[in-house]
Amino acid sequence: DAKTTQPTSMDCAEGRAANLPCNHSTISGNEYVYWYRQIHSQGPQYIIHGLKNNETNEMASLIITEDRKSSTLILPHATLRDTAVYYCIVRVAGNQFYFGTGTSLTVIP
Amino acid sequence: DAGITQSPRHKVTETGTPVTLRCHQTENHRYMYWYRQDPGHGLRLIHYSYGVKDTDKGEVSDGYSVSRSKTEDFLLTLESATSSQTSVYFCAITPGLAGEGEQFFGPGTRLTVL
Repeated sequence: DAKTTQPTSMDCAEGRAANLPCNHSTISGNEYVYWYRQIHSQGPQYIIHGLKNNETNEMASLIITEDRKSSTLILPHATLRDTAVYYCIVRVAGNQFYFGTGTSLTVIP
Repeated sequence: DAGITQSPRHKVTETGTPVTLRCHQTENHRYMYWYRQDPGHGLRLIHYSYGVKDTDKGEVSDGYSVSRSKTEDFLLTLESATSSQTSVYFCAITPGLAGEGEQFFGPGTRLTVL
């Protein structure tokens, strides 16, 4: 069973904010939400994670709804190098990561 | 790349042959993972290890076995490869003793089973 659902693809203009949504309606109280991205066929790259509170780091912001059933990854100023597949992941017990099918983000010049 | 290497990086083999993929890490991380990635799917966990000789099954473990005889190496074996095991295989580690937190991924191994 998919633990997360994401749109298949999105476009974003260069310099604008990219907002990538994710639904995780069956998430349990102690399960974290992680975001990774994958460029071409490289190994996935960690972006950010959170449990309940919104989080921000040098790459992105993560907004988690109060009921924790969905979240949004925000890339504040998208560049061409941000073109990638973005995965929203639920981390369950045993540090097991359940990847969804991801959102293919294309940043347009 | 968190000091993770995978070998080989590419392999073509025939159905029914045994195949072993190697994941090597240089930083004595306790937790290591093997994933596969197929078109239309995200990464799916095959097996993971939480120490030398300590391993457990993941979501898609059928047809695969693993071994970890020393901290730095985590081996994935396909005893008798099938075409359905054609995939890209990624190894990952989690730093720290508790095994919680972000996973760092290797560069991947592309396996083709003819």
